[in-house]
Formats: sequence, structure tokens, C-alpha cells
Amino acid sequence: NAGVTQTPKFRILKIGQSMTLQCTQDMNHNYMYWYRQDPGMGLKLIYYSVGAGITDKGEVPNGYNVSRSTTEDFPLRLELAAPSQTSVYFCASNPWDRGNNEQFFGPGTRLTVL
Amino acid sequence: AQTVTQSQPEMSVQEAETVTLSCTYDTSESDYYLFWYKQPPSRQMILVIRQEAYKQQNATENRFSVNFQKAAKSFSLKISDSQLGDAAMYFCAYRSYYGGSQGNLIFGKGTKLSVKP
Repeated sequence: NAGVTQTPKFRILKIGQSMTLQCTQDMNHNYMYWYRQDPGMGLKLIYYSVGAGITDKGEVPNGYNVSRSTTEDFPLRLELAAPSQTSVYFCASNPWDRGNNEQFFGPGTRLTVL
Repeated sequence: AQTVTQSQPEMSVQEAETVTLSCTYDTSESDYYLFWYKQPPSRQMILVIRQEAYKQQNATENRFSVNFQKAAKSFSLKISDSQLGDAAMYFCAYRSYYGGSQGNLIFGKGTKLSVKP
């Protein structure tokens, strides 16, 4: 059981470039999330998904897009990268939307936009 | 909207001693869930302990325990017999009972804990 995996671990982008951050979970969780963590800050929700084909915006969605074609995969797309998107990105999942169930996190992707 | 505040950006503790990390939150809900996550330098987010708001009994997990004061909206983490491996960033997090943004967590800014040998 690999849990939540993310690729790449590190990436440097130039302003205006695009990229996709990959996220896969093998726990058959319906609920998946993308967060960003800026220096000295907690995690903020970018997008979430409650199941294949269903996604919605979180607190800070501007500049990002997501898709959820399968239960396992939840990629995050950055279009026209900007320095403000320099951050650490975490993908997470949990089995239900309520309760004290643990939210499982991937190892994160450190992205730098220069 | 719910908010989570961690007022201690950094804390330090001597190995084998006890330390308490503070967390307060703001919510109008009566039922919710609270969590403490640990983030070591590896960046991996690790669940330390969780608490249901409807339970009066404070949660305990080995050396980790919480002091949950619902009326004061306070949720502090106590680490007993601190070990070098406890050095990490600690995040307090809130989840709405009613699902909110479908089960996401709302995080505080974190407290960086150093453990001195």
C-alpha cells in the first residue's frame, strides 16, 4: 500500500511555463484535495474532489486547474506559472468527508517559479 | 468561516521534558473535529492525535495528549518525555462536522518545535 504518491518532488519553472503535478492514491478514497503551503504558513486548500468526475474550488484556486477521471488520480495543472505560485504542494485523501477519519498526505512537491 | 490560530511560531524543549503547544480556533459550529499534525524536515504530514468536539474526554496517544477546552475554543497539545525525533513543525487543524468543503482541513500557521539534547 503506497498511500498517496506525488511527482515530481522538486521542480523549477520559468514564468509563463505550464506543468502538471501528479497525485495518485491506492486506498480507494473518494475524497481528494490539493493544498499549498507557503513559507511560515499553514496549508491552504486549492481544489478538492468528492469522486471521479466531480471537482470544486477551494480557498485559493486562481491559476490552477484540476481533473478527476479516475478514483486514483487527481492531477493539478498550473497554466502560465507566476512567482506567486512558488510553494510546496500537497495532495491528500480521506475515505469520507466527515468524522475524525485521518487525512492522508503525499510527500509534497516543492515548486519554484523564476 | 472557521479559523485556526497558533500563537507560538517557535518553541523549544529540553529532551525528556514536557512542552505544550497552543491552538485556538473560531467557529460557530457545535460539532467538529480537531487534529494535530506533525511535519518533520522530510515534509511528510503525520497525524499525531485527533479529538471529537462532542467528547469531553481529552484524547491521548502515548506521549501525546490534548487539553480540549470547548468553551474557550482551545486545543493544546502536550508532549511528555520529549525526544529528539519530536523536533518538527506542528499544525493544528479543524474539520467541520457537516463536511464544509467536503471534508477538508483548516490549518493554523504551525509551531516549530526544537528539542535540545
